[in-house]
Amino acid sequence: AQSVTQPDARVTVSEGASLQLRCKYSYSGTPYLFWYVQYPRQGLQLLLKYYSGDPVVQGVNGFEAEFSKSNSSFHLRKASVHWSDSAVYFCVLRFTNAYKVIFGKGTHLHVLP
Amino acid sequence: EAAVTQSPRNKVAVTGGKVTLSCNQTNNHNNMYWYRQDTGHGLRLIHYSYGAGSTEKGDIPDGYKASRPSQENFSLILELATPSQTSVYFCASGERNERLFFGHGTKLSVL
Repeated sequence: AQSVTQPDARVTVSEGASLQLRCKYSYSGTPYLFWYVQYPRQGLQLLLKYYSGDPVVQGVNGFEAEFSKSNSSFHLRKASVHWSDSAVYFCVLRFTNAYKVIFGKGTHLHVLP
Repeated sequence: EAAVTQSPRNKVAVTGGKVTLSCNQTNNHNNMYWYRQDTGHGLRLIHYSYGAGSTEKGDIPDGYKASRPSQENFSLILELATPSQTSVYFCASGERNERLFFGHGTKLSVL
């Protein structure tokens, strides 16, 4: 069955530290993958997306993600986090040529100042 | 930037009452979605639409109806609201295979 798994419900890091948020997906077709961020009391905003090509994609605010077909993963990374990065991060899978969208349950990132 | 506007931002309803959540998009997108967000569940799809006049059931449609009278507007209707429907509801629009644009959410409390 198709699914998106974010194994870490909550991650706490210190400001300036590097970050990796994990995402695993299950889908037999070609995945369209996204990372969204949700700041408190706001809607979801797009960080980056992957459709094809270079497996490392760059996003906003210094975020990047790496797609791995062999590992069925799409992990999000940042070299040095800032306290303002504290938010909930969602990994999202869109089915090719279909309407369905699957969200991971989200990872709550807390950056200590 | 594409815009999705939800109203109201906050709503308090009584059990058994009727609630209508409205969503308007200026993106001219064919596809619109209603999600609810609950702690521990992430976002779950309630209903979606792929054009004016169409509505489709998502993963958790029970207790909800949807209406898409025009390209721009997509409503979520709770005919008989229950406390279990207390949640934050998000509307989104987007084209096939493309990113979604989200509204700011509606916080619904059913007492």
